[in-house]
Amino acid sequence: NAGVTQTPKFQVLKTGQSMTLQCAQDMNHEYMSWYRQDPGMGLRLIHYSVGAGITDQGEVPNGYNVSRSTTEDFPLRLLSAAPSQTSVYFCASSYSVRLGGYTFGSGTRLTVV
Amino acid sequence: GNSVTQMEGPVTLSEEAFLTINCTYTATGYPSLFWYVQYPGEGLQLLLKATKADDKGSNKGFEATYRKETTSFHLEKGSVQVSDSAVYFCALRENSGGSNYKLTFGKGTLLTVNP
Repeated sequence: NAGVTQTPKFQVLKTGQSMTLQCAQDMNHEYMSWYRQDPGMGLRLIHYSVGAGITDQGEVPNGYNVSRSTTEDFPLRLLSAAPSQTSVYFCASSYSVRLGGYTFGSGTRLTVV
Repeated sequence: GNSVTQMEGPVTLSEEAFLTINCTYTATGYPSLFWYVQYPGEGLQLLLKATKADDKGSNKGFEATYRKETTSFHLEKGSVQVSDSAVYFCALRENSGGSNYKLTFGKGTLLTVNP
């Protein structure tokens, strides 16, 4: 199993550009989520989904959109990149939110200049 | 709201030393508690968990006990190795209400173990 796959691993954007961070899992997990990791801040939840067609906002959703058209994929869209969105982004999925079995991808390091 | 406070790093130890990383939490209800580990250049991996008071989670020589009376979940290891060098995150998840899909993380503690 590939687990949770994130692409790209690195990306540099100019302010105002848009892009999509991809996340795919092959474990048939219903729950998927996006976090950002910033120095000294831990991880903060951006958006999450409890199944295909269902998404909701986390702590820091502004400037990001998500959709969940299939169980496998959960892309994160940056609408108009800003330097404040420079961060490392992690996608995570879970077979059982109740049991806390989260699997994380290896991350996307994004720099906005 | 929920919050997790863990000791500031970095923590530097010699091989075979005893490790403690403190973690305390604030939550309504009875959360589940987790320790995650992040090795350089990688995503987070679940290290251990505890789902109710007095539970002890353990894995790879690491242990943590869910202490409801002190709202703590301190991570310990009796003898660290160089390969334990990583960032450690304490996290909680509410078990009721609308927050039960969200993990709340501490800020992370960088551990460096020298040979």
